[in-house]
Amino acid sequence: DTAVSQTPKYLVTQMGNDKSIKCEQNLGHDTMYWYKQDSKKFLKIMFSYNNKELIINETVPNRFSPKSPDKAHLNLHINSLELGDSAVYFCASSNRQVGRTEAFFGQGTRLTVV
Amino acid sequence: DAKTTQPNSMESNEEEPVHLPCNHSTISGTDYIHWYRQLPSQGPEYVIHGLTSNVNNRMASLAIAEDRKSSTLILHRATLRDAAVYYCILRDVAGAQKLVFGQGTRLTINP
Repeated sequence: DTAVSQTPKYLVTQMGNDKSIKCEQNLGHDTMYWYKQDSKKFLKIMFSYNNKELIINETVPNRFSPKSPDKAHLNLHINSLELGDSAVYFCASSNRQVGRTEAFFGQGTRLTVV
Repeated sequence: DAKTTQPNSMESNEEEPVHLPCNHSTISGTDYIHWYRQLPSQGPEYVIHGLTSNVNNRMASLAIAEDRKSSTLILHRATLRDAAVYYCILRDVAGAQKLVFGQGTRLTINP
């Protein structure tokens, strides 16, 4: 029973297209995140939602729009894809007090823009 | 966000203990010390965390210096499956709800 699941696992698309990545967690957590890992392997946070409310929005282009229909889901929609968007995107979840509790990560979505 | 400093890479032999150091000289009183690891082609995985006292779990031990300015993750008997990038992260329980990853330590285990 996967705790944090992302779909799709791989996504290859052309520049200019719009695509979405879905994330679901079955842990009952109240906070979900999107991270981006680029080719140099740096993991950077993009967004965080707590109880469907956006609480972290790092410096991310407007082409990226997260959507949280409920506490268990956080989807990432990307408009007008660019070559530089190629990366692995990780979804994660935790309870709000991350300091005291662990975060669980999905297996990642490898996005390749050609 | 408080910063941590880790060696870029370390190497060890299978079935030997591994001590992964982390310096966090600017740690504040409410920062928890978290360790995560990322195996090849996988998402980060929680390893252990602590505040002041040393901690043990089934995966590893965490030794925290008395002044809390450094910590050491201890893998008691490394296996090939422990080869990964290990991240030491400080999280302020009162701060923004995110984990800020540094460059981590790439651990290589020799058979």
